Amino acid sequence: GAGVSQSPSNKVTEKGKDVELRCDPISGHTALYWYRQRLGQGLEFLIYFQGNSAPDKSGLPSDRFSAERTGESVSTLTIQRTQQEDSAVYLCASSPAPTVAYEQYFGPGTRLTVT
Amino acid sequence: AQTVTQSQPEMSVQEAETVTLSCTYDTSESDYYLFWYKQPPSRQMILVIRQEAYKQQNATENRFSVNFQKAAKSFSLKISDSQLGDAAMYFCAYKGNNNDMRFGAGTRLTVKP
Repeated sequence: GAGVSQSPSNKVTEKGKDVELRCDPISGHTALYWYRQRLGQGLEFLIYFQGNSAPDKSGLPSDRFSAERTGESVSTLTIQRTQQEDSAVYLCASSPAPTVAYEQYFGPGTRLTVT
Repeated sequence: AQTVTQSQPEMSVQEAETVTLSCTYDTSESDYYLFWYKQPPSRQMILVIRQEAYKQQNATENRFSVNFQKAAKSFSLKISDSQLGDAAMYFCAYKGNNNDMRFGAGTRLTVKP
């Protein structure tokens, strides 16, 4: 079946503009994660959604970052008033269930460049 | 808080040879999972192998195997008969009871023909 998809693949924006990144999880996956990967570094957790429960926003770096997800469908990550330090690859992952046993399936990421 | 450390920023191996990538982690939890993910230039994170902490037997997936030392909190990945297609960034990851998965900084593996 189809994997996790993300759009756009690449996004170049000017400092101060808002951007919206999209993630389509694997159908039936209840858990969805957003990560940020700066150049040459590992993944930083941003936010987690599980079904209709309140999201875990503990990883969001500032109030300029927000994310939404309706039920078990598409999620959008919004970055307001982008800064150059926001330049990174943003990865989305989904999982069949939130329990520790399940692996996360990753999308190809969106490379964001803030000029 | 759980942390994952990969002390080798870069590793190199000759094609057909064996290489071991190191990973250590810190946790106070007893129930957790450890993962190795591969990230080629395409950016797609691909699961290589998974280890349940409660299992003493080391996980194996074809040419990939792990050496899991729970007391030492060590989780190394061994790649046997290395192939050109194994060249990628490799990330060690920890998943406990928190919602997020903790990743190491990664090891860039180069395979020489």
